[in-house]
Amino acid sequence: DTGVSQDPRHKITKRGQNVTFRCDPISEHNRLYWYRQTLGQGPEFLTYFQNEAQLEKSRLLSDRFSAERPKGSFSTLEIQRTEQGDSAMYLCASSRGRSPPNEQYFGPGTRLTVT
Amino acid sequence: TQLLEQSPQFLSIQEGENLTVYCNSSSVFSSLQWYRQEPGEGPVLLVTVVTGGEVKKLKRLTFQFGDARKDSSLHITAAQPGDTGLYLCAGAGSTGNQFYFGTGTSLTVIP
Repeated sequence: DTGVSQDPRHKITKRGQNVTFRCDPISEHNRLYWYRQTLGQGPEFLTYFQNEAQLEKSRLLSDRFSAERPKGSFSTLEIQRTEQGDSAMYLCASSRGRSPPNEQYFGPGTRLTVT
Repeated sequence: TQLLEQSPQFLSIQEGENLTVYCNSSSVFSSLQWYRQEPGEGPVLLVTVVTGGEVKKLKRLTFQFGDARKDSSLHITAAQPGDTGLYLCAGAGSTGNQFYFGTGTSLTVIP
């Protein structure tokens, strides 16, 4: 069990640029979650996948954000036309999702800074 | 919208002291998880509580889920510098699919 991995760990971009983050979940986990965390706050739910299907999306996920999990394994989160307010830690988590309790395991996160 | 309020928000104590962190909500959760997060890293799962009134112990950490499954507490006995970090509670909604995180408690244990 290698845990959840995320790439890159840090990303600095200029306002208006597009960025893409990758998450590799624990291999036998069929659920994958994306969260955003700003300094001093708890993580905020963005979206989650059951296998390749995106089942829930938060209102926080504006039309500039898109997430995919094409083969039900790794996932990508893309932010188009980045804004300074997008600066945050983007966290990915995975879980088995078979029966309660649904325990999530987090990756190390991608720290995004928009200048 | 934060459905879970944690208190205190910040806590600085001496090594060896005891402390309690609270996680409160007006909503009922199907389960509740506690995490510890270090700067620049993702949260690490400590425990999951499912049944109202449930108490779980993890070495010096004691977790309790309220009878009505709306609140929880984390008690640390004889705190050590290695306990320093951000403690987060997260409640699972009725479907168990979406999780709502608390505001976090930043703990510093001074040697």
